[in-house]
Parts: sequence; structure tokens; C-alpha cells
Amino acid sequence: QKEVEQNSGPLSVPEGAIASLNCTYSDRGSQSFFWYRQYSGKSPELIMSIYSNGDKEDGRFTAQLNKASQYVSLLIRDSQPSDSATYLCAVLTGANNLFFGTGTRLTVIP
Amino acid sequence: EAGVAQSPRYKIIEKRQSVAFWCNPISGHATLYWYQQILGQGPKLLIQFQNNGVVDDSQLPKDRFSAERLKGVDSTLKIQPAKLEDSAVYLCASSFPGLAGYGEQFFGPGTRLTVL
Repeated sequence: QKEVEQNSGPLSVPEGAIASLNCTYSDRGSQSFFWYRQYSGKSPELIMSIYSNGDKEDGRFTAQLNKASQYVSLLIRDSQPSDSATYLCAVLTGANNLFFGTGTRLTVIP
Repeated sequence: EAGVAQSPRYKIIEKRQSVAFWCNPISGHATLYWYQQILGQGPKLLIQFQNNGVVDDSQLPKDRFSAERLKGVDSTLKIQPAKLEDSAVYLCASSFPGLAGYGEQFFGPGTRLTVL
């Protein structure tokens, strides 16, 4: 079983729609969760972090965490073509190891 | 604030040759990481340094890969000898000390290695 699992996509949404990206993890001792965005040919960039159950909003981005279900998600409202990228879910395990998922490729269609 | 610096940006070598990558983290970042990212996959941690000490190298193929951070600042990752399956992007990242900092990492531009 992989530490972090994501649907690889691709996920296509029209401009202005809500994009929903999901992630599950295996280590119940994990306390910190992150979403990184990676444009093609570029390095990952941190866009959201979440540490407690519930929602955390930052501009058009909302991260959601449910530790009981071992589930993390990222919602992107009013999706823009510039949001087209691969979104990597990362989980900091109880042993302080950061594991990345394989990423979900998002395409926002103008 | 300057970001994480890496060099070279691209490298093409033949199998069985050796190669070295260099990384300079953000000033003040005690923790430095080397990742391998194969096309279509997420980054995989190779080695993590805290200052000049190794915290985790459990996924580093030690028969061919080595890394050092002698003065607790910049770091070098070496592959000797290279194999075809080492073709990947090698990413260096750094973070502040502290638990939350381990997850909030800042990445350099990466070195794209092609092994022929």
C-alpha cells in the first residue's frame, strides 16, 4: 500500500468551475498535510498546508482534512487556465517523513 | 530572499559514467533534502540533512549514490556509476527547522539527468 494515493487524472474542468482534487493516506499518525502545485517542467511549489480537521481557505483554494477517513482534498473555485498543472498531495508521517502522491494533472479549459 | 539554487540544470551522460549535482539552500534553512522525480511520479526522498548530519537516507541507493553537506550549507549529490533508470529530475529542497517546517519545503529548479 502506498503512503499517499491520488487519482492521476487527467482532470478537466471548464473555466470558472470548481476543481476537486482528492488524496488518501495510510499513516494514521500523520499530522501535517500539504498541497503542492507543479507546472510542467518546473519544480513543486507549496500552495496550501492543513493540520487540523475541517476546512482551510486561502483565496480561491480550500483544503479539507478528515483524519478519521484519512482523506485530504483541495478545491479550486473559479478555476482559471493558469491553474492547469499537476497537484501533488504530500503527507508528513508520524516519523517526520514527507511522502508525495503521484499527482493529479488538472486542465482548465477556456 | 534568494531561492534554492541548483546546478547544473541539465546533464546528459552515458551509463556507467559518474555525475554530481550541487545545491545551495535558502539562507538559514537548516534542513536540506534531495529528491528524485521520475516522469509521471511524485518526488521521492533520497536523503535528508539537518545541518551537516544525515536524518534519513533510507531510500538512497548507497551502492551508487552518495551525498554530503560538509559545512551545513550547500550539498552535493553524486551518482557513480549511473544506470539508465537514474534518468530523472533531481530536486533539492530546504525548510526551516521545526515540525511544520519539515512539510513546508522550498524547491530548487531541479537538474534533469538523462542517462544514455
